[in-house]
Amino acid sequence: SQTIHQWPATLVQPVGSPLSLECTVEGTSNPNLYWYRQAAGRGLQLLFYSVGIGQISSEVPQNLSASRPQDRQFILSSKKLLLSDSGFYLCAWMYKGRTTNTEAFFGQGTRLTVV
Amino acid sequence: RKEVEQDPGPFNVPEGATVAFNCTYSNSASQSFFWYRQDCRKEPKLLMSVYSSGNEDGRFTAQLNRASQYISLLIRDSKLSDSATYLCVVSGNFGNEKLTFGTGTRLTIIP
Repeated sequence: SQTIHQWPATLVQPVGSPLSLECTVEGTSNPNLYWYRQAAGRGLQLLFYSVGIGQISSEVPQNLSASRPQDRQFILSSKKLLLSDSGFYLCAWMYKGRTTNTEAFFGQGTRLTVV
Repeated sequence: RKEVEQDPGPFNVPEGATVAFNCTYSNSASQSFFWYRQDCRKEPKLLMSVYSSGNEDGRFTAQLNRASQYISLLIRDSKLSDSATYLCVVSGNFGNEKLTFGTGTRLTIIP
């Protein structure tokens, strides 16, 4: 069965420090991968998605970047965190359907607090 | 206009009541539709997919109206455990992999 791992679960980082969040998927190949952010009391904002190795689509210009060095690995990074980067970061994967997209499955999320 | 819009609520509903949520989407080319449930401080989890013909899963019924570009979710005989935020999700067809979430509707079931 497919599983998605996301870590760490909680992170407190000072302003100006770098960030690296990692997400890996097991039990499937060539998935679509997503990074979302959810600010406190807000909806899910799509940050990046990837349909294959090295292919990254950015939805919102910001202080973050994403990379997909391997088929089942998706990394979210920042060189210098801002206070506004605080939030709940969620990685998700989706199986590529032949005609329609299937549902997405989420990791357990990383709660980032920038102080 | 937002790509996916939902009434944020909150909906405070007595146990046993029926509650309905609506969601509208702006992209007429959208092909896949879902309802997710998110508990406080947890990741979203799929509640049900939404098909053109409508579909039912126990106490939950989902409907899709392509002409009006809206999706609905009906919960019958609501339980305390139904308290959560319900997220409407829309994606394109194969080749358009963007998955867009509504802001969610907060539901609280009152004993």
